Amino acid sequence: AQKITQTQPGMFVQEKEAVTLDCTYDTSDQSYGLFWYKQPSSGEMIFLIYQGSYDEQNATEGRYSLNFQKARKSANLVISASQLGDSAMYFCAMREPLTGANNLFFGTGTRLTVIP
Amino acid sequence: DAMVIQNPRYQVTQFGKPVTLSCSQTLNHNVMYWYQQKSSQAPKLLFHYYDKDFNNEADTPDNFQSRRPNTSFCFLDIRSPGLGDAAMYLCATSRGQGVGPPLHFGNGTRLTVT
Repeated sequence: AQKITQTQPGMFVQEKEAVTLDCTYDTSDQSYGLFWYKQPSSGEMIFLIYQGSYDEQNATEGRYSLNFQKARKSANLVISASQLGDSAMYFCAMREPLTGANNLFFGTGTRLTVIP
Repeated sequence: DAMVIQNPRYQVTQFGKPVTLSCSQTLNHNVMYWYQQKSSQAPKLLFHYYDKDFNNEADTPDNFQSRRPNTSFCFLDIRSPGLGDAAMYLCATSRGQGVGPPLHFGNGTRLTVT
């Protein structure tokens, strides 16, 4: 079973509008971490935001916020006031408490295009 | 600024000719990772070091090797590159393997095999 599911291969948003990128996850652990990364066409993977499973407040970082709904196992990324530079691939990821092993799981990504 | 640096940014090699990609970090993180990312796919973990302990993923081909001479540096060696090894190679670091620390990635090396 997929650990991280991103159902939107591509999304379009008008400049200055808000957009939500969907992410659902699957884990039986009580402790886990959720991350969003941005990957522009240049290829670097940029860390955007983190949400811990025990955090009661939704994480926010500038124009990015994470809509964490634990019971639904969803961790959607909300980008407010979209800018042309937000056009990129966005990956949702989850870390589980597996020491000594590959404990970071990526989704398949969503390609966001911001339209002027 | 503390960061993860990968060299070179672009690498072209010939089929079967060994190639080495390098990664350095100033974050003093104890875990370093190498990922392979093919076009329009998520990154795939090849191996990682927890301090000096090397951890190879079960499906990583023997063609791929790694060295970590010290905390700051890590190398990816491809002994006999094939056309299928053309990809973006991403180095990443993290402070431990708990659920909290994010991975910090370098800019990547885009490998072309001719």
